[in-house]
Amino acid sequence: DAKTTQPTSMDCAEGRAANLPCNHSTISGNEYVYWYRQIHSQGPQYIIHGLKNNETNEMASLIITEDRKSSTLILPHATLRDTAVYYCIVRGRDGNKLVFGAGTILRVKS
Amino acid sequence: NAGVMQNPRHLVRRRGQEARLRCSPMKGHSHVYWYRQLPEEGLKFMVYLQKENIIDESGMPKERFSAEFPKEGPSILRIQQVVRGDSAAYFCASSVTGTGKAEAFFGQGTRLTVV
Repeated sequence: DAKTTQPTSMDCAEGRAANLPCNHSTISGNEYVYWYRQIHSQGPQYIIHGLKNNETNEMASLIITEDRKSSTLILPHATLRDTAVYYCIVRGRDGNKLVFGAGTILRVKS
Repeated sequence: NAGVMQNPRHLVRRRGQEARLRCSPMKGHSHVYWYRQLPEEGLKFMVYLQKENIIDESGMPKERFSAEFPKEGPSILRIQQVVRGDSAAYFCASSVTGTGKAEAFFGQGTRLTVV
């Protein structure tokens, strides 16, 4: 599975959009981009995933560049409860397991 | 639809005892993954199972650890003769298929403390 690069940490003001970038320059055509988050020491929470097209659900939007070498997770109106570690993961079509990196620590501040 | 259920949530074992961690996947899910998270560290993949089969155990320690997912009942992660270094949070996840297309959902974990 391709590796990803994420900033170590980011801050965001409450109520503003949080934009979390991820680089995956070695991604191949059949690999999906997944986002999870882990709040404190709870179980990881699935957020969203996509292959080529941008995706949106009730939690977030995923914007994937046309060359698929990078993506951005957007939390449209961040709240204090969105403070967590966010993981960007590239997963093959037959990739089975999710491989977690260090992620981005997002701190939402009032 | 209940989420992934793990029990117990907290488990204390003395060195040398056995620990059994249970994971009931979401309804309709036949694929289970186990992960370990040591204190202040990231999530590390341990094993991936499908009903009655181990598909990928590349992350499992060679000794003392085993996992099963029987035809009936929950998946079990078993740690024999526990040591202090086994103290960690153990998470399981389940998915409806093992392909990259299907999202995996995690349980709340079992926190094992070895004293």
